[in-house]
Amino acid sequence: DQQVKQNSPSLSVQEGRISILNCDYTNSMFDYFLWYKKYPAEGPTFLISISSIKDKNEDGRFTVFLNKSAKHLSLHIVPSQPGDSAVYFCAASALSSGSRLTFGEGTQLTVNP
Amino acid sequence: DAGVIQSPRHEVTEMGQEVTLRCKPISGHNSLFWYRQTMMRGLELLIYFNNNVPIDDSGMPEDRFSAKMPNASFSTLKIQPSEPRDSAVYFCASSWQGAGGELFFGEGSRLTVL
Repeated sequence: DQQVKQNSPSLSVQEGRISILNCDYTNSMFDYFLWYKKYPAEGPTFLISISSIKDKNEDGRFTVFLNKSAKHLSLHIVPSQPGDSAVYFCAASALSSGSRLTFGEGTQLTVNP
Repeated sequence: DAGVIQSPRHEVTEMGQEVTLRCKPISGHNSLFWYRQTMMRGLELLIYFNNNVPIDDSGMPEDRFSAKMPNASFSTLKIQPSEPRDSAVYFCASSWQGAGGELFFGEGSRLTVL
């Protein structure tokens, strides 16, 4: 049972344009959501997070939007840069489970120069 | 400040052999997680420890997999006997439980079982 789903395995955008990565979840107990970025041959690194009490969190070129009623979140990267090319994982946790994160399948983002 | 350290980075073995993956978490972190990365399921949680105690091992695929955390600075994930379908990248991660869920990952151990 995949509680966190990223339905797009890959996304390709032009440099300077907006990248939008999507994530859906099914567990209504999730109250904290994170995005991780992974380069080849490296471990995932934390990118940005959002608590369920918010619907938007912005950090530089990265913004995460949360729609609790739709159980959907998205990561916007604008403007996209070639160095953003990586696999992006969506993750969610519930306060009751401590730090246990449930990850999605990942989306490979390619930003073309 | 050293991050999470995993070894070996790469392991190639034959079916039936025992495989041991090792992890040193970040000093001061009290939670440790073993994940496996697959194309179909992304990052799957295998097991996690809190204060060296296994809390949830429901993600461990079968009895061939076992994990230990004898002290706060070391954990192992063992596969015995290994099978080709175990080929994957195995990640160790640690966190301070009060950190709001942010995990710090090691670079992973790529396992190939022939």
